[in-house]
Amino acid sequence: GIQVEQSPPDLILQEGANSTLRCNFSDSVNNLQWFHQNPWGQLINLFYIPSGTKQNGRLSATTVATERYSLLYISSSQTTDSGVYFCAVSSGGGADGLTFGKGTHLIIQP
Amino acid sequence: KAGVTQTPRYLIKTRGQQVTLSCSPISGHRSVSWYQQTPGQGLQFLFEYFSETQRNKGNFPGRFSGRQFSNSRSEMNVSTLELGDSALYLCASSPFQETQYFGPGTRLLVL
Repeated sequence: GIQVEQSPPDLILQEGANSTLRCNFSDSVNNLQWFHQNPWGQLINLFYIPSGTKQNGRLSATTVATERYSLLYISSSQTTDSGVYFCAVSSGGGADGLTFGKGTHLIIQP
Repeated sequence: KAGVTQTPRYLIKTRGQQVTLSCSPISGHRSVSWYQQTPGQGLQFLFEYFSETQRNKGNFPGRFSGRQFSNSRSEMNVSTLELGDSALYLCASSPFQETQYFGPGTRLLVL
């Protein structure tokens, strides 16, 4: 099956810093999503981005499908950005489940 | 619209018992997927239902089963619980095949 690798596994930053999280995947995909998992376990949708670039406030994401990677940018980090960020992909149709990476654990210190 | 809801939120069972978890998708969403999250294995796909039909299943033993009702609500059942089944079980709904929206999860502890 498709493999998903995320880097870095852990990231500790000061409030106000910018960060870039990377997701590499091993095969072509037709679905790629970025999620933020909060301390209570809820997965919150950030972006649905199988290709191209999107922005939402301080967050933006870019997927280069031909090179099989996606980047999540967080600017002017806030302590509430702390948590685990997951990249998830699928290469099939709607019936296929998402394959998740192991996540990037982000800690923003005040 | 109300989000995906899951019940119960927390559950403690003993080995050998069975458990049923429930998921109500976002109104209008017909696809419901289930995932298991553990510290060791991460997030893994269990199965997906669409219009009461299981369309795909992940690599889990037959003790894990599910179903979907005509109102799109879904249940998953785990029989003969093992200690390793302790996990966060997440349900996601989707209108078709794009963005999946996740519920808050059910934390299952097997003693």
